Amino acid sequence: EAQVTQNPRYLITVTGKKLTVTCSQNMNHEYMSWYRQDPGLGLRQIYYSMNVEVTDKGDVPEGYKVSRKEKRNFPLILESPSPNQTSLYFCASSLTQGVNYGYTFGSGTRLTVV
Amino acid sequence: QQQVKQSPQSLIVQKGGISIINCAYENTAFDYFPWYQQFPGKGPALLIAIRPDVSEKKEGRFTISFNKSAKQFSLHIMDSQPGDSATYFCAASMDSNYQLIWGAGTKLIIKP
Repeated sequence: EAQVTQNPRYLITVTGKKLTVTCSQNMNHEYMSWYRQDPGLGLRQIYYSMNVEVTDKGDVPEGYKVSRKEKRNFPLILESPSPNQTSLYFCASSLTQGVNYGYTFGSGTRLTVV
Repeated sequence: QQQVKQSPQSLIVQKGGISIINCAYENTAFDYFPWYQQFPGKGPALLIAIRPDVSEKKEGRFTISFNKSAKQFSLHIMDSQPGDSATYFCAASMDSNYQLIWGAGTKLIIKP
């Protein structure tokens, strides 16, 4: 089944403790992206990647890092999480960098930083 | 100018009624307008999309109406069903720019 898989689905952590949210897609998509979803703010892009070893900042990149060493994987790293990073995170992928094919989203990771 | 403004924030419609969600944009360079549907516990999924060369696109009970001069587009759900209860996002982008600009979302509840 074609899908984007995120892990974990739920995570509670403490301020300052480094964490990684994994994202993997099995559709050979070139384009991958991370979003955070907050009530009333919709989806805001954190980082995106057009292909292996090519990443760029989205609208809200502060406090996050990403890497794209393999085409299928695009982990999101929070080096020193803070409470304002409590949010619902989504990974998405697309066949090419164009949006015309639509994005396939993962099921989300709900992160709570205390 | 990059914003997409979506309204209403929430909407309650009786079963069988018509649900209407509106979006407005400023950037006339936008040329692709998708709608995404998100169920609780799931990521958004592409529902339907339109380009400015047509004024309307219909897929089953879902219709996008597009008004280029007013820079507005809307999603109409005919014969709304409880299974349509979800959050709906409009978005916009340019062919030359792969970034999607998202509306804030509308939580739709269809009452049985």
